[in-house]
Amino acid sequence: SQQGEEDPQALSIQEGENATMNCSYKTSINNLQWYRQNSGRGLVHLILIRSNEREKHSGRLRVTLDTSKKSSSLLITASRAADTASYFCATEYSGAGSYQLTFGKGTKLSVIP
Amino acid sequence: EPEVTQTPSHQVTQMGQEVILRCVPISNHLYFYWYRQILGQKVEFLVSFYNNEISEKSEIFDDQFSVERPDGSNFTLKIRSTKLEDSAMYFCASSAEAVGGELFFGEGSRLTVL
Repeated sequence: SQQGEEDPQALSIQEGENATMNCSYKTSINNLQWYRQNSGRGLVHLILIRSNEREKHSGRLRVTLDTSKKSSSLLITASRAADTASYFCATEYSGAGSYQLTFGKGTKLSVIP
Repeated sequence: EPEVTQTPSHQVTQMGQEVILRCVPISNHLYFYWYRQILGQKVEFLVSFYNNEISEKSEIFDDQFSVERPDGSNFTLKIRSTKLEDSAMYFCASSAEAVGGELFFGEGSRLTVL
């Protein structure tokens, strides 16, 4: 399975601190995406990093990808209470004809005001 | 901003009943997906759909499940005879690209099977 696995499962930080979440996967990928899910809501796309990229930024988000270690990290800087949510990495497998994203179990982030 | 809409938001049904979950993908998207999330668990791929046919399906998507795009705008997931373990949040998603595309998810349909 190419399933991504996030770590930690849960993270609790104070507002203003940085939050780092990690994702590991097993097989070669086309790209890796991070999604956010507020409790009981749908998933919202945050950022996509392609297999030939090493780092990408979007606002307060920074994503890194290390294909040699099959891992990625999501850094949220200067966290806010509104960042409280579950964060999922999703991998797109590089096998031919595959159109699915495989999601990990997620990291539940709590930002305490 | 364009969005994926799903109905119903919540459906309660008796075991053995048929259920149809509906989705309206973003209008210029060509690739459509159903995922499900059992409470507290990870999001699982069910099926992808392109050009009026299934592109890929998971082991979860057995003969009890079917998908259809009946009228060029709606994208439906039918569960023929629901089981207790079908209780989950079902998410529809669409994308403009097959590979390397961002998926746009709906808010989900919560299915409760009693």
